[in-house]
This record gives sequence, structure tokens and C-alpha cells, in this order.
Amino acid sequence: QPVLTQPPSASGTPGQRVTISCSGSRSNIEANTVNWYQQLPGTAPRLIIYNNNQQWPSAVPDRFSGSKSGTSASLAIDGLQSDDEADYYCAAWDDSLNGLVFGGGTKLTVL
Amino acid sequence: QITLKESGPTLVKPTQTLTLTCAFSGFSLSSSGVGVGWVRQPPGKALEWLALIYWDDDKRYSPSLKSRLTITKDTSKNEVVLTMTNMDPVDTATYYCAHYYFGWGILDYWGQGTLVTVSS
Repeated sequence: QPVLTQPPSASGTPGQRVTISCSGSRSNIEANTVNWYQQLPGTAPRLIIYNNNQQWPSAVPDRFSGSKSGTSASLAIDGLQSDDEADYYCAAWDDSLNGLVFGGGTKLTVL
Repeated sequence: QITLKESGPTLVKPTQTLTLTCAFSGFSLSSSGVGVGWVRQPPGKALEWLALIYWDDDKRYSPSLKSRLTITKDTSKNEVVLTMTNMDPVDTATYYCAHYYFGWGILDYWGQGTLVTVSS
């Protein structure tokens, strides 16, 4: 069972704004920075957002943004495009477990 | 340019020990703030962090798998090795290694992954 909780799926039509949530606890999201990874079908994950809201250079366009508040974080995608279809994972360090924790992943579908 | 590549057996039998090697280039594992981590992903399932080794040889393991995992580094060869004992079919997964930057706690460069199947 993943330590961080994400919705298993999300969807939107081209041009829409979609938000993916990530819920954790005081020992992970609240205490440390949140990072987001995108995994396109059949490929390795890649870092897209780090330090809660910083875009990893050349990873994704400005349409992607991250935020954090308390024990929750979210990834927002503006102007949804078909090639945004992927699985998205949040991750953070967990001080209690003394290790990295991931969310269960959210499969984004562009309708 | 940082690159990493995993290698190891594609098929192991139950109860056997899995040994995976991560060969990397573009960075030194003796540089402060640098590490290499392992993450696995069963088919159709989520990512699961396994282990981390830091530049100073400090190590961290997933609590649920700690008793079965060992991570080591060979700085001169630019390699990190992960061993997992007592393999079971539920350990069937793609295993990834990745460059870890301690400052931000990020796995910023990933290998392509290697699929390991556990079956008799």
C-alpha cells in the first residue's frame, strides 16, 4: 500500500485544466519537499517537478505546475494536450520511514 | 551527460538471490551530495523505492524489504550493485536505478530499467 495517496485516474479534454492530488502526512509531505514524476507508456519515469513547484529544466512545458500545502500536494496541467497522457507519481522523503515514498500513481487520460 | 544502465538476469527462480548492476557515467559517486537509488515497478503497478546509497557510503533501505536487500558501490568502476535475497514471484518487476541528488531529494536521471521475472 503506497504511503502517499493519489487518485488512480484523472481525465480531461484538450485545453482543459487538470489537477492531480497527493495526500501524505507530517512525516513526509509536510516535513519535506514533494517531487513529481511522469511516466509515458513503456518508458522509465522522469522527473518533472521538484521542490514542490520547480520545473525540472526541459522536462515539461510551463503548462505543468506543482503546489504544496500542509500534508497535501498537487500537480496541475493547464491546456491539456494528448501527449500529456501518462502516469504521474508524487514522491517525498519520509522522516519516520527514513526513506523515499511514492504515491500509487495517477493515470491521466485525455479524452 | 548523466546516463545509467541496469543489467542482470531476466529470469530467476524462487528462493534465488537477484544481483543487479547499475553502470553509470557523467558523475562520480564520490562527489558530495550524490547518490544512486533503486526503484522497482511490478507490471501494471506503481513505483516502489528499494534502496539508496550515498557518496559517503551511507545506505538507506525500504523498511519492508530491508532484511532482503544489500546495496554497494564501486566508485572506481562507476557501478552500484543491488542484491535481493529469497526472490518470490511477487518480486517480478522492472527494476530501475537512478541518480539521486541529496540536496533536493530527487531521482533526477533514470536508467531504462530491466525486467526481472521470478518463475520456476
